Amino acid sequence: DTAVSQTPKYLVTQMGNDKSIKCEQNLGHDTMYWYKQDSKKFLKIMFSYNNKELIINETVPNRFSPKSPDKAHLNLHINSLELGDSAVYFCASSGSGSRGETQYFGPGTRLLVL
Amino acid sequence: DAKTTQPPSMDCAEGRAANLPCNHSTISGNEYVYWYRQIHSQGPQYIIHGLKNNETNEMASLIITEDRKSSTLILPHATLRDTAVYYCIVKQGAQKLVFGQGTRLTINP
Repeated sequence: DTAVSQTPKYLVTQMGNDKSIKCEQNLGHDTMYWYKQDSKKFLKIMFSYNNKELIINETVPNRFSPKSPDKAHLNLHINSLELGDSAVYFCASSGSGSRGETQYFGPGTRLLVL
Repeated sequence: DAKTTQPPSMDCAEGRAANLPCNHSTISGNEYVYWYRQIHSQGPQYIIHGLKNNETNEMASLIITEDRKSSTLILPHATLRDTAVYYCIVKQGAQKLVFGQGTRLTINP
């Protein structure tokens, strides 16, 4: 009954490859996010989708393309992987409410580009 | 950029209360104070949040000063499993979470 799940947990790949990371939430939330945590442990927002519409797009290379087939899923596709893409990627989701909108995170996908 | 300031590290003895301070002097009236923690590269875990009143749940208590310029997260009886990086974040509505460096809390046996 995991609330926010990601697959795969680990991903090791060669430079130049294309890969996808999947995220699913069963919380009934309308908004989903992708965050990146680099080797220095800084967590930064990449994208946010609300009801399948892109609402936040930080300065991310266009090799990264989020795709939301429905509001329970937000997948991250990365083209032409580079060494600097190695990081932990976290998916999150949030609902709405009068007391703010709490985000709940998945377990992360550890990407290593060789 | 993070709008909060936290000490980089703290230590606490197991069984004692851990009090983690956070300064957010530029907080605006409709911004909430959120606390998350990250245990050893797991996904950030939501702890608690509040607007102006003190809050308590099964994990922690949140004390917000009357002027809302600072807050304290209290873990009443810290255990070794509470060792983590704790993040204090101010956020309004559906805004993104902006993580700072947080406080690395070490619980010592």
